Amino acid sequence: AQKVTQAQTEISVVEKEDVTLDCVYETRDTTYYLFWYKQPPSGELVFLIRRNSFDEQNEISGRYSWNFQKSTSSFNFTITASQVVDSAVYFCALSGYSNSGYALNFGKGTSLLVTP
Amino acid sequence: SQTIHQWPATLVQPVGSPLSLECTVEGTSNPNLYWYRQAAGRGLQLLFYSVGIGQISSEVPQNLSASRPQDRQFILSSKKLLLSDSGFYLCAWSVRGRAQPQHFGDGTRLSIL
Repeated sequence: AQKVTQAQTEISVVEKEDVTLDCVYETRDTTYYLFWYKQPPSGELVFLIRRNSFDEQNEISGRYSWNFQKSTSSFNFTITASQVVDSAVYFCALSGYSNSGYALNFGKGTSLLVTP
Repeated sequence: SQTIHQWPATLVQPVGSPLSLECTVEGTSNPNLYWYRQAAGRGLQLLFYSVGIGQISSEVPQNLSASRPQDRQFILSSKKLLLSDSGFYLCAWSVRGRAQPQHFGDGTRLSIL
């Protein structure tokens, strides 16, 4: 079975602080994919990144960075110099071929509040 | 560029009434299509996915059904709504293949009275 755990339910930071959102996953698949999505207050989910299980290189995109570590089954997301517009619920998700490969198994999300 | 449209944005329905939510995708062909439900507490659950016209796979048994009458149209239906059907329904599309990034519509907030 696949499982995604986002232990942080809510995080509150002051603007310009760095913040890391944790994601731990469980899967028996050797090939799998990990995703991060952002859900702003308006409700739509915005795709941020996909990583496959064979690529452990960290990725940076502007103020966003992702740290994938297979040894600890973690795929953490860091926002540098946070801004008010970063306030949203962030979801980590996992997809593997054992469950047809089409379903995204989402964690319960981490609600991030960035205050001025 | 690809866009996904989902309507209505909000819906209030009495228990026992029928339901029809529609989703269409523009700017791509042969997409995979998905229906998710997000209940209070934020977790998202995949309800149905489709890899082609008339091909529907159900992930969770329930009183909902889905249909794909056209390549880029995906419909979520129910003959009789239950109170437990309340939630935020999201349609998504992806390119063909497994584990592809899914791109979501704006969602429909469904309240059952």
